[in-house]
Amino acid sequence: NAGVMQNPRHLVRRRGQEARLRCSPMKGHSHVYWYRQLPEEGLKFMVYLQKENIIDESGMPKERFSAEFPKEGPSILRIQQVVRGDSAAYFCASSPTGEIEAFFGQGTRLTVV
Amino acid sequence: AQSVTQLGSHVSVSEGALVLLRCNYSSSVPPYLFWYVQYPNQGLQLLLKYTSAATLVKGINGFEAEFKKSETSFHLTKPSAHMSDAAEYFCAVSDTKTSYDKVIFGPGTSLSVIP
Repeated sequence: NAGVMQNPRHLVRRRGQEARLRCSPMKGHSHVYWYRQLPEEGLKFMVYLQKENIIDESGMPKERFSAEFPKEGPSILRIQQVVRGDSAAYFCASSPTGEIEAFFGQGTRLTVV
Repeated sequence: AQSVTQLGSHVSVSEGALVLLRCNYSSSVPPYLFWYVQYPNQGLQLLLKYTSAATLVKGINGFEAEFKKSETSFHLTKPSAHMSDAAEYFCAVSDTKTSYDKVIFGPGTSLSVIP
């Protein structure tokens, strides 16, 4: 059973471009969580999704950020018109039940230049 | 509101020495507490968790943590450090064992192990 897969591992974008981060949960997991990690800081919750539904997006910036978890395919975190402050590591975690046994991916490190 | 503090952003120990990483929390309800480890360029891995059963919790890789309600602490220890323990360690707190979106992570402690 493969772990949580995130791609790309590293992503460089120029200011104003769009960034798309992908997360394929573990097989059988229908709950996905996205977190952002800034240097010297812990993980900050962004959004919690189940298949085709956003359950909690209280940690998501109101503008430029969106997330989806379609019926088929990976979960996508989309950042439009990226700015330097978006540079961070973005982690995805998945869980079969929503309970705190989530498994984390290796992250996508976004650099905005 | 819940919060987590980790005293010491960087800790260095000699190989074979005791590892002690500190975590204090605040919570208005009985908390669930967690320790995670993050190796360079990797995701977080759960070391151990406290969910209101035994106050001394044993985890993977020889780590353990003790929940002390009177001190609002959940310090992580390991009797003898290995070089492979060098990593970032995060303490986390939640007021529920369900719903991962309610977990609050601390800022992390970077552990260095000196040969």
